[in-house]
Amino acid sequence: AQKITQTQPGMFVQEKEAVTLDCTYDTSDQSYGLFWYKQPSSGEMIFLIYQGSYDEQNATEGRYSLNFQKARKSANLVISASQLGDSAMYFCAMREGTLGGADGLTFGKGTHLIIQP
Amino acid sequence: EAQVTQNPRYLITVTGKKLTVTCSQNMNHEYMSWYRQDPGLGLRQIYYSMNVEVTDKGDVPEGYKVSRKEKRNFPLILESPSPNQTSLYFCASSLAYSGQPQHFGDGTRLSIL
Repeated sequence: AQKITQTQPGMFVQEKEAVTLDCTYDTSDQSYGLFWYKQPSSGEMIFLIYQGSYDEQNATEGRYSLNFQKARKSANLVISASQLGDSAMYFCAMREGTLGGADGLTFGKGTHLIIQP
Repeated sequence: EAQVTQNPRYLITVTGKKLTVTCSQNMNHEYMSWYRQDPGLGLRQIYYSMNVEVTDKGDVPEGYKVSRKEKRNFPLILESPSPNQTSLYFCASSLAYSGQPQHFGDGTRLSIL
């Protein structure tokens, strides 16, 4: 079974609209971290936002917020007021374990977001 | 400036010719990792290192070697590259705690002919 599932291979959104990118995860660990990365066409991986499994509040970073529903094992990324520069691939990722955790990031297959003017 | 530096950024080479992709970080991170990215597959971990002289296999280690002689450097070695290793490679580093984001290099695009 996939550990990270992103069900939207591609999305078209009008500029200034809010966007929700879906991510569900599968783990039996109690302690884990969930991350979102942005990969523009230039190829670099840009860290956007992090949510810890014990965090009670949803993470926010500027226009990005993470809708964390632990019981449903979902960690959707919400981008408010989308901009043309938000067009990119978006990856959800999970890191399992706590201190000294050896596991790297397990990535979903990504969502290609295109913002239309 | 905190960064992860990979070299080269682009490389076209031939089957069987040994190559090394270097990775260096200036953040004193314990954890370093290599990923490859292929269309439709996302990123997959090749090898990782928890600290100096401590390395272990990730999900797709076949055909690769790594070493961690110094904390800042984590080179990826392809002893006998093959065309199925044509890919985009990323090095990443972080503190050794699951809550820390991994910082990625800019990527190395390898083409093996």
